[in-house]
Amino acid sequence: GAVVSQHPSRVICKSGTSVKIECRSLDFQATTMFWYRQFPKQSLMLMATSNEGSKATYEQGVEKDKFLINHASLTLSTLTVTSAHPEDSSFYICSASGGVQYFGPGTRLLVL
Amino acid sequence: AQSVTQPDIHITVSEGASLELRCNYSYGATPYLFWYVQSPGQGLQLLLKYFSGDTLVQGIKGFEAEFKRSQSSFNLRKPSVHWSDAAEYFCAVGKNAGNNRKLIWGLGTSLAVNP
Repeated sequence: GAVVSQHPSRVICKSGTSVKIECRSLDFQATTMFWYRQFPKQSLMLMATSNEGSKATYEQGVEKDKFLINHASLTLSTLTVTSAHPEDSSFYICSASGGVQYFGPGTRLLVL
Repeated sequence: AQSVTQPDIHITVSEGASLELRCNYSYGATPYLFWYVQSPGQGLQLLLKYFSGDTLVQGIKGFEAEFKRSQSSFNLRKPSVHWSDAAEYFCAVGKNAGNNRKLIWGLGTSLAVNP
């Protein structure tokens, strides 16, 4: 299957700072990428759909000013958690879509 | 509303035993169905998918799943489980077509394998 990378795999930050997470499709071009959040022992919650060259589409209840998504190229989408708070601590997962979604390994964010 | 139900939160089987993980869906149109596996420290990996055609689909790692429209089910099976199969398994239904296909997820089934 296709390979999707995420960076960083783990990040700890102070409350009030911003954190950027990168998602790259390594061996195919992805016009669409998805960002998810996963709480411990729970399923994935779709946060937003990211389309290359256009604004992301956010799911209901997701603050677009807090979770900034940029999909500037066919192989890279970024999620920036702005002014992070402890409740933003979670596991963030991206996927790149080529008809089937291929997932990155996830980023564990801990906000102190 | 579309939904995916995985009735079993946790299953324990012995190594070498057969396995069936249940998945039921509610979706108005023809569903695109997926099974993913999530191992600790690893990303979600696609096991298999059903789009159309033969209702019995083969996947990686010896898994198969059968689409039964009359029962709105897409159960995952494996004839002989290996210890390395211990993981979290997610069933999903795809909305929309092509690259914008969103996934509706079940809550997952955690599989433990006894030696």
